[in-house]
Amino acid sequence: KAGVTQTPRYLIKTRGQQVTLSCSPISGHRSVSWYQQTPGQGLQFLFEYFSETQRNKGNFPGRFSGRQFSNSRSEMNVSTLELGDSALYLCASSSPTANYGYTFGSGTRLTVV
Amino acid sequence: AQSVAQPEDQVNVAEGNPLTVKCTYSVSGNPYLFWYVQYPNRGLQFLLKYITGDNLVKGSYGFEAEFNKSQTSFHLKKPSALVSDSALYFCAVSVPGTYKYIFGTGTRLKVLA
Repeated sequence: KAGVTQTPRYLIKTRGQQVTLSCSPISGHRSVSWYQQTPGQGLQFLFEYFSETQRNKGNFPGRFSGRQFSNSRSEMNVSTLELGDSALYLCASSSPTANYGYTFGSGTRLTVV
Repeated sequence: AQSVAQPEDQVNVAEGNPLTVKCTYSVSGNPYLFWYVQYPNRGLQFLLKYITGDNLVKGSYGFEAEFNKSQTSFHLKKPSALVSDSALYFCAVSVPGTYKYIFGTGTRLKVLA
């Protein structure tokens, strides 16, 4: 079966712009989580969605937001981009919960210049 | 504060020798424990998990991990390392009810031919 699909794979944006990243989970997975990976901070939890509801949110500023659609696809948005937002953004899906393990996408590499 | 520690940034081992990648955690309750591997420019791949039961857990690619509740450790092991095992390894814990993982900082494993 198809894995977790993240688009785009690479993105270059200018400081101050906004960006939207997309994630399509494995078919049947209703939980979608987002993580930011940077060399300095490692993997940091952004948020988790289940059936279009955000169940938990990490310690990120309000510029980071997300949503989940009825087909479980998810998007995350970052507004007013800063240089420090440059990172690999990873999406993971799981079923029925993350306690059973994630399947990760290949990530979106965001570079802010 | 809840945390996961991987005390070694890098582990070097000769091909054919046994390997150990260390992980300790400080999390309340009874967390679920995981190991993931990451190859360059890729997302994380699931290796194995401990939820309950036998303290020795077997996973993908010949890896296993030993759960030690008294020492709050979950070390990753493999009896005979391969050059292809060279990658970045992450330990993670999932605290039931929080819908998120806490990741360690990662350990780079280098298997030398």
